[in-house]
Amino acid sequence: NAGVTQTPKFQVLKTGQSMTLQCAQDMNHNSMYWYRQDPGMGLRLIYYSASEGTTDKGEVPNGYNVSRLNKREFSLRLESAAPSQTSVYFCASLNGGDPSGNTIYFGEGSWLTVV
Amino acid sequence: QQQVKQSPQSLIVQKGGISIINCAYENTAFDYFPWYQQFPGKGPALLIAIRPDVSEKKEGRFTISFNKSAKQFSLHIMDSQPGDSATYFCAASGSFGNEKLTFGTGTRLTIIP
Repeated sequence: NAGVTQTPKFQVLKTGQSMTLQCAQDMNHNSMYWYRQDPGMGLRLIYYSASEGTTDKGEVPNGYNVSRLNKREFSLRLESAAPSQTSVYFCASLNGGDPSGNTIYFGEGSWLTVV
Repeated sequence: QQQVKQSPQSLIVQKGGISIINCAYENTAFDYFPWYQQFPGKGPALLIAIRPDVSEKKEGRFTISFNKSAKQFSLHIMDSQPGDSATYFCAASGSFGNEKLTFGTGTRLTIIP
C-alpha cells in the first residue's frame, strides 16, 4: 500500500550540478504533479502531467524539466542546480474524474539543498 | 498571482479551544475546496473538502464553512487537541478537466496545553 513514493529523501547538491528526483505511484492515477514548498509560499506547482505522454508547465517551471516515463512514473530534473532551488519537493497524483472531488495524494517529500 | 489567500500565517490555540483558519479565492470557476493537513516531515494529506452546493460540511471535530457570495471558506477545529498541531493548507480547483489544485500559503497551528 505504497501510494506515492519519491526518491531521494534528502540530497545536497553543489551549484551547477544536475540531478533527477524520481516519483512513482501505484494507484493507477492519470494525473501527476511536482510541487515545491518554501516557507511562507505554500505549495507551488512546478510541472504537471494530465496523462501519460503529456506534460505542462505550472506556476514556477524555470530551471526544471520533467518526464512522464509511463503511467506510474513522473521524474523532475534539475539541469544546473541553483541555491534558489533549495526547497522541499513533493510529488503527487490525482484521482481525477471522481464526482466526490479531486483528491490529490502526496509523497513524503524530498529535501534538496543547493550550496 | 495568488488566487487563494489564507490567514493567519500562524495560530496558537489553547487545548479545548476552537481553531479557525480562513481562505478567500478569486476565481469563480473554482468549485472544489479541500483542506490539507501536514505534519512535520510528511506530505500534506486530505483532511476535509466541500463543494459550493452546500454552506457547511462537518466531519468529527472539523467543519468547513463556505460563503459563495463572499468567495470565502474557513476551517473550524472544535475542541482543539495537541495532536492537531500541524500546518493546514486550503486549496481550490475547477471542474473535471481543469483539476489543478491552487493552494493557499498555509497556517501553522500550535495547540498548547
